[in-house]
Amino acid sequence: NAGVTQTPKFQVLKTGQSMTLQCAQDMNHEYMSWYRQDPGMGLRLIHYSVGAGITDQGEVPNGYNVSRSTTEDFPLRLLSAAPSQTSVYFCASSLRGSGRYEQYFGPGTRLTVT
Amino acid sequence: DQQVKQNSPSLSVQEGRISILNCDYTNSMFDYFLWYKKYPAEGPTFLISISSIKDKNEDGRFTVFLNKSAKHLSLHIVPSQPGDSAVYFCAASDFNKFYFGSGTKLNVKP
Repeated sequence: NAGVTQTPKFQVLKTGQSMTLQCAQDMNHEYMSWYRQDPGMGLRLIHYSVGAGITDQGEVPNGYNVSRSTTEDFPLRLLSAAPSQTSVYFCASSLRGSGRYEQYFGPGTRLTVT
Repeated sequence: DQQVKQNSPSLSVQEGRISILNCDYTNSMFDYFLWYKKYPAEGPTFLISISSIKDKNEDGRFTVFLNKSAKHLSLHIVPSQPGDSAVYFCAASDFNKFYFGSGTKLNVKP
């Protein structure tokens, strides 16, 4: 069991470039989510999915797109990177979306936009 | 405006003593509250949770207390150990959405 995996670990982008952060889980979890962590702000929810084909917005969705074509994968797309998107990004999964279920986090992707 | 707040950015405690981490929230619709622990360069790991219908939950050295009237929860670690040194985040859930506090860095001194 690999748990939640994220790639890449580090990435540097120039303003306006696009990229996709990959996230995969092998626990057959229905719920997956993306967070960004900024100093003094904690983790903020970007987008989440309660199952394949279903996605919804979190607290800070602007500038990010997601899709969920399979149960295992939940990629996060930045269409036109901006310096304000410099952050550490975490993907998480849990059996269901309720707080009753433990969320498992990936190791994170540190993104710098210059 | 943040719905979950941790007002103490850091806490230092002697090994063997009690650590108390605090968290306040504003949304009375939150149904679960959770605590996560995070080491540098790693993702957060789940520690303990509590349903909004309870006021206490215990798991080994960790106890979470919920005071709904004050919209306040706290995490007690007894006894504290050096390996507990990490950043602790409290979080709250509202259906499928989770809201995190800004974290408290705990340092347990040997």
